Amino acid sequence: GEDVEQSLFLSVREGDSSVINCTYTDSSSTYLYWYKQEPGAGLQLLTYIFSNMDMKQDQRLTVLLNKKDKHLSLRIADTQTGDSAIYFCAESISDYKLSFGAGTTVTVRA
Amino acid sequence: GAGVSQSPSNKVTEKGKDVELRCDPISGHTALYWYRQSLGQGLEFLIYFQGNSAPDKSGLPSDRFSAERTGGSVSTLTIQRTQQEDSAVYLCASSLRTDQETQYFGPGTRLLVL
Repeated sequence: GEDVEQSLFLSVREGDSSVINCTYTDSSSTYLYWYKQEPGAGLQLLTYIFSNMDMKQDQRLTVLLNKKDKHLSLRIADTQTGDSAIYFCAESISDYKLSFGAGTTVTVRA
Repeated sequence: GAGVSQSPSNKVTEKGKDVELRCDPISGHTALYWYRQSLGQGLEFLIYFQGNSAPDKSGLPSDRFSAERTGGSVSTLTIQRTQQEDSAVYLCASSLRTDQETQYFGPGTRLLVL
């Protein structure tokens, strides 16, 4: 299957941590990605994780991967107003094809 | 160039007209991809190029859609006889090669068919 599912909305207070969750279906996916899309802009690659890893940390971003449950999460520490955007989870389903979720709209409130 | 560029950034057209969308990939990237993003939905894969050839066109919604790539660089996505349901953001991405290389996206072309 090629379905990637994400919750559609997340509201978080500035300074708190945000956690965006994603489930995927293709157990053979080698890479899983998080992309960020700001209003009117294209997709910006935030981070990715190789499927043999459980966790990857990059500054304020932490990616957790649970292969058994096919669950991927992105944690943003100390969320800022500039983090307001749509976040897309994606899995590689072939050498060239990515399957994307519908995106989680993150709203950061003061 | 520094990143993937697309033109035009916005396009409004009348139903039944043809449109051409252009993508300039990152210099040296051999793989190029087209996606469509409809309102409130994720990205839908349309087609990808390895060099100038398109091994997988399976995502093209209908025979009104076609794409080409010349010189291993610029690609054009053409939609003939546009319909209102073609209204979407068309995103282009490129990667150094396929084999699960990271895809870098352009800003997209917002197409509105009236």
